[in-house]
Amino acid sequence: DTAVSQTPKYLVTQMGNDKSIKCEQNLGHDTMYWYKQDSKKFLKIMFSYNNKELIINETVPNRFSPKSPDKAHLNLHINSLELGDSAVYFCASSPTSSSGANVLTFGAGSRLTVL
Amino acid sequence: QKEVEQNSGPLSVPEGAIASLNCTYSDRGSQSFFWYRQYSGKSPELIMFIYSNGDKEDGRFTAQLNKASQYVSLLIRDSQPSDSATYLCAVNDLEYGNKLVFGAGTILRVKS
Repeated sequence: DTAVSQTPKYLVTQMGNDKSIKCEQNLGHDTMYWYKQDSKKFLKIMFSYNNKELIINETVPNRFSPKSPDKAHLNLHINSLELGDSAVYFCASSPTSSSGANVLTFGAGSRLTVL
Repeated sequence: QKEVEQNSGPLSVPEGAIASLNCTYSDRGSQSFFWYRQYSGKSPELIMFIYSNGDKEDGRFTAQLNKASQYVSLLIRDSQPSDSATYLCAVNDLEYGNKLVFGAGTILRVKS
């Protein structure tokens, strides 16, 4: 069984369109994340939710809007897509740790290409 | 902004050798340190994490942490061609939602 699953795996779309990526985890984790990995392979956090509550919101254009209907799901909607949005978007989850360490489990990634 | 620095490589080692990957971080308050491996076109997967100064061993992998010098390293003994990947160092940022800050990664190539 896939622990963290994302759909779709590939997205090719035109500039100006709106698209969504969905993520689901069956690990029972409390926290979910969206990370963006650009062409230089730099992995950067975008958002984090803990039990449906937004706890991390990095400096991301407001065209990006995350939604967490429950603690097992975290979706990412992107409006008015731009060329610079082309990247691989990774969903991840982690348990709540009293030690403060977040061991992340990543989904397979969604490769977004904006033409 | 917390920073995590890694040499991008590629680091090339012959099969059977020890590969040494290094990482420095800017936040003295960081407490948890992680090494992830990412094969081309795949997602990052956790290799190991370390909290305390010193060494932590897991099979062929040893993580070393020196908080005074703000560096963490990963040693891979008896390197295999299957170890060829990008190795990502990550450090937790307690100040802001306990997020993980990743370095840009070091490309490792093990030649048979």
